[in-house]
Amino acid sequence: DAGVIQSPRHEVTEMGQEVTLRCKPISGHDYLFWYRQTMMRGLELLIYFNNNVPIDDSGMPEDRFSAKMPNASFSTLKIQPSEPRDSAVYFCASSLSAGKETQYFGPGTRLLVL
Amino acid sequence: GESVGLHLPTLSVQEGDNSIINCAYSNSASDYFIWYKQESGKGPQFIIDIRSNMDKRQGQRVTVLLNKTVKHLSLQIAATQPGDSAVYFCAEPDSSSGSARQLTFGSGTQLTVLP
Repeated sequence: DAGVIQSPRHEVTEMGQEVTLRCKPISGHDYLFWYRQTMMRGLELLIYFNNNVPIDDSGMPEDRFSAKMPNASFSTLKIQPSEPRDSAVYFCASSLSAGKETQYFGPGTRLLVL
Repeated sequence: GESVGLHLPTLSVQEGDNSIINCAYSNSASDYFIWYKQESGKGPQFIIDIRSNMDKRQGQRVTVLLNKTVKHLSLQIAATQPGDSAVYFCAEPDSSSGSARQLTFGSGTQLTVLP
């Protein structure tokens, strides 16, 4: 299996621009998680989906952030408009509903908002 | 609130020595723990997990010990190699969320292997 796939791996944009991050979970996994990682705050859960349905979005910082999962193999995290404080590494992770709660992470998207 | 935390933010060991990374947790009802390794520029990678009905679990060069009495777990790496240099996180299901699917991560320990 290829593991969790994220794109782009790096993104540099200017304040005010729209940013879209993409994720393909491991095939067969029915949970998908979006995290943000910074030096100051560590790993923060933003939102997670079960069977393509958003379950908990309480970690989404503001209305500027939105996430969708149109099908079992694809999810997006969108920031509009972006701000410098959104600069971070964004990770996508997936897990199976049956058995262990172990989450498998993608390589992350490094976002820099100038 | 309930939390998972790490005793030390950094740990330096000589190549070939054993490493011990510690993690304290505060929720006595926690029944499952995971260790992740995050190398520079990469996502967290699953290493090993343990359930509360066990006090020890071994993998390849790694051992996790769980002491429920003092709510402490540790990750032991045998014969530490340069490739072990990374940040190590312990994690547990988030009891405050009502969903065992959410994980709470500790702040992490940076392990540096010295030549």
